[in-house]
Amino acid sequence: DGGITQSPKYLFRKEGQNVTLSCEQNLNHDAMYWYRQDPGQGLRLIYYSQIVNDFQKGDIAEGYSVSREKKESFPLTVTSAQKNPTAFYLCASSNFDTTTEAFFGQGTRLTVV
Amino acid sequence: QQPVQSPQAVILREGEDAVINCSSSKALYSVHWYRQKHGEAPVFLMILLKGGEQKGHEKISASFNEKKQQSSLYLTASQLSYSGTYFCGTEEDNTDKLIFGTGTRLQVFP
Repeated sequence: DGGITQSPKYLFRKEGQNVTLSCEQNLNHDAMYWYRQDPGQGLRLIYYSQIVNDFQKGDIAEGYSVSREKKESFPLTVTSAQKNPTAFYLCASSNFDTTTEAFFGQGTRLTVV
Repeated sequence: QQPVQSPQAVILREGEDAVINCSSSKALYSVHWYRQKHGEAPVFLMILLKGGEQKGHEKISASFNEKKQQSSLYLTASQLSYSGTYFCGTEEDNTDKLIFGTGTRLQVFP
């Protein structure tokens, strides 16, 4: 079945450690996105990528990094520079542009202690 | 800049109607609507493209006024399954990024 997979579903890390969240899609989508969800703030865009080896910062990119070495994969690294990393992270993908629906993964809940 | 949604929350009895609004300060090329159940991924409802169209399926429809940079989602004769948080997503003209609003929490009671 085609879809978008995020792993793990829950992640715990100690403060000061970098952590990488996985996002894989087999929908042959060109565009991929990372969003952060906090209560009352909706979905905020962290990074997005329209093609392999290219990506752009979203509204809250500070403290995060991404790579897009393969069309299917768009991992997000939460670095120690991110001041408040505990949140629910959602990955999405769509066909080339935003005139087609975006498909979301099930999300990763990151807790930093 | 996130689009602004209103109201922030809505409480309904089954069978009642609701309208959720989405407003942007930028010229928009498209508007998406999604519904998210607690702890789950957002699920696509519909897309409206520049041109002022109105779309709908079953008892959920939406309009897009590009001049006012606004979209509205209409839920009629609400059902218990409509409960969740609704998000609008917008693409500004000449950009490739999809930005979501702050969400509207809808609760439908029997």
